[in-house]
Amino acid sequence: ETGVTQSPTHLIKTRGQQVTLRCSSQSGHNTVSWYQQALGQGPQFIFQYYREEENGRGNFPPRFSGLQFPNYSSELNVNALELDDSALYLCASSLNVDLYQETQYFGPGTRLLVL
Amino acid sequence: AQSVAQPEDQVNVAEGNPLTVKCTYSVSGNPYLFWYVQYPNRGLQFLLKYITGDNLVKGSYGFEAEFNKSQTSFHLKKPSALVSDSALYFCAVRTLTGANNLFFGTGTRLTVIP
Repeated sequence: ETGVTQSPTHLIKTRGQQVTLRCSSQSGHNTVSWYQQALGQGPQFIFQYYREEENGRGNFPPRFSGLQFPNYSSELNVNALELDDSALYLCASSLNVDLYQETQYFGPGTRLLVL
Repeated sequence: AQSVAQPEDQVNVAEGNPLTVKCTYSVSGNPYLFWYVQYPNRGLQFLLKYITGDNLVKGSYGFEAEFNKSQTSFHLKKPSALVSDSALYFCAVRTLTGANNLFFGTGTRLTVIP
């Protein structure tokens, strides 16, 4: 098991609501990336945070936002939830954003269901 | 643009037989290639990666992968499959252009038959 933890494990929301997902990175890791994994698909990159600033973003609308805290933990916020937001949300931590060979270590994920 | 293809949605292999899970990629520049495994209701678990050097990469749990630049492939292999290897396998690529993120294939479900 990696040292990456995520909470909650499961969540049920209704369309239009807002949700916050949390991630604690592996000890010593300063970079956190978030991915969305829809059913039957591979994970898709949402964004990455390094030293509390967004370092890159995938093709997701602005209602997906994030934060990184001084202890390198992170939050993913999704506003105005849509049915298609139902997915497994994965957090990954890595040691150094500038080292492209660094491995990203994933947490167990948060499964979000939007009704 | 970068892309990863896993041409087989499902691979079945008998226990004890060798297994191969295929992956091809398309990138600009040199690729960094990764394999991850996902067990039911779990996150992704890192298996191995190719950065540079020897084309044959050895990873966790007896898995290995061969980088073939001319065929733009990075197939995952194991000499003798175990029932416990049954899971969903993802190939991913990262390059030095753009954001420092992983671009994943759609996954291959491996079933090892006892």
